[in-house]
Amino acid sequence: LAKTTQPISMDSYEGQEVNITCSHNNIATNDYITWYQQFPSQGPRFIIQGYKTKVTNEVASLFIPADRKSSTLSLPRVSLSDTAVYYCLVGDNNNDMRFGAGTRLTVKP
Amino acid sequence: GAVVSQHPSWVICKSGTSVKIECRSLDFQATTMFWYRQFPKQSLMLMATSNEGSKATYEQGVEKDKFLINHASLTLSTLTVTSAHPEDSSFYICSASRQGQETQYFGPGTRLLVL
Repeated sequence: LAKTTQPISMDSYEGQEVNITCSHNNIATNDYITWYQQFPSQGPRFIIQGYKTKVTNEVASLFIPADRKSSTLSLPRVSLSDTAVYYCLVGDNNNDMRFGAGTRLTVKP
Repeated sequence: GAVVSQHPSWVICKSGTSVKIECRSLDFQATTMFWYRQFPKQSLMLMATSNEGSKATYEQGVEKDKFLINHASLTLSTLTVTSAHPEDSSFYICSASRQGQETQYFGPGTRLLVL
C-alpha cells in the first residue's frame, strides 16, 4: 500500500499559487519526501525533495512541519502548462517507493 | 544532469511474442533501477527493483518468469515481457538512482500494445 494520501484533484487559474498537501502519517525516520510531476504518456519528472522544514528550488517550494506527518508542495504563479498529475512519495534510499493516486491539477485560463 | 532513456518508445507485437525494453542511465551510474507499469488513468505500479549484478526483487503479484529483468551493468537494465498477451498492454516506465541517493530519475516510458 502507498504510504501517502493526497487530494484526487484540484483546480486553479493561471497566475495563482497552488498548494498541494500530502499526508504521510507513518513516515519513518530515514524517509525523504519527494514530489514528481507527470504529463500524459510521459515518465514522472522530479520536482523537489526534502527531509524537514522548507526547501525551495527554481520551480517549487516544499514545506514540511516538524512532525513530518504531512508536506505541502507550493507552485507559485501556475500556468496552463502546469496542468499535470503530481505525486508525493516517501522513502528511504529508494526502497519501498510506491506511488499513491496522485493529485490531478487542472489550471484554467 | 540525470537523464534516463528507454527504448523503444512504443512497440506493437502479436500475442505470444516476447518484447524487450531497455532502460539506460545516460550520464550517471545507476546502482538501482526500478520498473513500473501504468494503465490508463491510473497511478504507477512498482513491478520490480533491480540492483546491478543481483537478481531483481519482484513485487507481490508480478510473475518473475513472465517479466524478466536484467541489470547487467551500472547503466543498463532490460525488461523482457515473455509470451505477451493483450492484457500486458500498458505503459512501462523505468527509473534509476545513484548509490546512496534518495532521488529516482525516470525514463520517458515505453508504450506496449499486444494484439
